Amino acid sequence: SQELEQSPQSLIVQEGKNLTINCTSSKTLYGLYWYKQKYGEGLIFLMMLQKGGEEKSHEKITAKLDEKKQQSSLHITASQPSHAGIYLCGAERGSTSGTYKYIFGTGTRLKVLA
Amino acid sequence: ETGVTQTPRHLVMGMTNKKSLKCEQHLGHNAMYWYKQSAKKPLELMFVYSLEERVENNSVPSRFSPECPNSSHLFLHLHTLQPEDSALYLCASSQGTEYRDTGELFFGEGSRLTVL
Repeated sequence: SQELEQSPQSLIVQEGKNLTINCTSSKTLYGLYWYKQKYGEGLIFLMMLQKGGEEKSHEKITAKLDEKKQQSSLHITASQPSHAGIYLCGAERGSTSGTYKYIFGTGTRLKVLA
Repeated sequence: ETGVTQTPRHLVMGMTNKKSLKCEQHLGHNAMYWYKQSAKKPLELMFVYSLEERVENNSVPSRFSPECPNSSHLFLHLHTLQPEDSALYLCASSQGTEYRDTGELFFGEGSRLTVL
């Protein structure tokens, strides 16, 4: 199983609808990043959450971090076709080599119907 | 100049070929990463370089050989690949180099590799 599990795996919504994507970690979260990827392209950073209970918003996208539940949610209000893409959560992990890894979740594919 | 540039964008190679992927960052960052993204699989970390030194090798087969000649450039040398190595290879960079202090990653557009 993956260290960062996202749900749902895919989502199709009508334009104007709200939606929520979840990211659950199997280990303690010290910070959580959200990225968006257009198909076949690189990832673009959306926002970072560092503290439990923290909530950040950018335009119509809001993300929250629940450290106790080891979970983060990404909420899009009044979705638009421009929101379509793959949403990925990311986190740093300590490594057995003493350094670190930067890992990503399983991804959520979002399609918004006009 | 965009932040992170990857070349080539598309590459088709036979199993016996030797080729290289190049990544260049113009952000003054100190850490660089290679990721592999296959269809229907999560993004997989391959290598991490911090201050030009490889600090993480995520159990990657030896047919993939990274090189970081300076803090702005990162290469992935490819040799005797298998068809299952066909994927999108993404390069990224970050300002931070310490665990829990990395910051966000800046990604290139990726190199789409097809192995015949």
